[in-house]
Amino acid sequence: DAGVIQSPRHEVTEMGQEVTLRCKPISGHDYLFWYRQTMMRGLELLIYFNNNVPIDDSGMPEDRFSAKMPNASFSTLKIQPSEPRDSAVYFCASRDRAYGYTFGSGTRLTVV
Amino acid sequence: AQTVTQSQPEMSVQEAETVTLSCTYDTSESDYYLFWYKQPPSRQMILVIRQEAYKQQNATENRFSVNFQKAAKSFSLKISDSQLGDAAMYFCAYRSGGSNYKLTFGKGTLLTVNP
Repeated sequence: DAGVIQSPRHEVTEMGQEVTLRCKPISGHDYLFWYRQTMMRGLELLIYFNNNVPIDDSGMPEDRFSAKMPNASFSTLKIQPSEPRDSAVYFCASRDRAYGYTFGSGTRLTVV
Repeated sequence: AQTVTQSQPEMSVQEAETVTLSCTYDTSESDYYLFWYKQPPSRQMILVIRQEAYKQQNATENRFSVNFQKAAKSFSLKISDSQLGDAAMYFCAYRSGGSNYKLTFGKGTLLTVNP
């Protein structure tokens, strides 16, 4: 298995632009998580899904952030419009009962 | 809400020596799970070790072991025979028992291994 796949690995965008981050979980994993990592706040959970349904989105910072999981093999995190304070590393992780959590390599987002 | 505290922002160890990373957590729950993750410069989050709160025996994975003190809400990681490849950020994480699968992370400890 290729693990959790995130794209792009790096993204640089201008303030005000729309940004879409993508995640392909491990096949058979029924939970998917989006985390954000910054120096100041560490790793924060943004949202997680169970069987493609959002369960807890209390960590989504504001309405500029949205996440979808249209099917079991794909999820997106969208920021519109982006701001410099959104600069961070965004991780996707998936989970199954047997193997626990597997993280992707993250997307480093820089908003200038 | 549960909180996880790692009081050591940075630690260093000589190659082949032993180092202990500290973690404390705050919870009112009796059923939960604790984890240590390693994040090398590649950014990948790698599970090092996991402990179920209901197990009294401390978890061990090769050179990595934990000291789980449930009453004290302490969960330290001991790395024996440190290797250069152990250099990384280490994160302690907490997960409630039951159906809430959210991981709550500490701020991390940067471990340097000196040759």
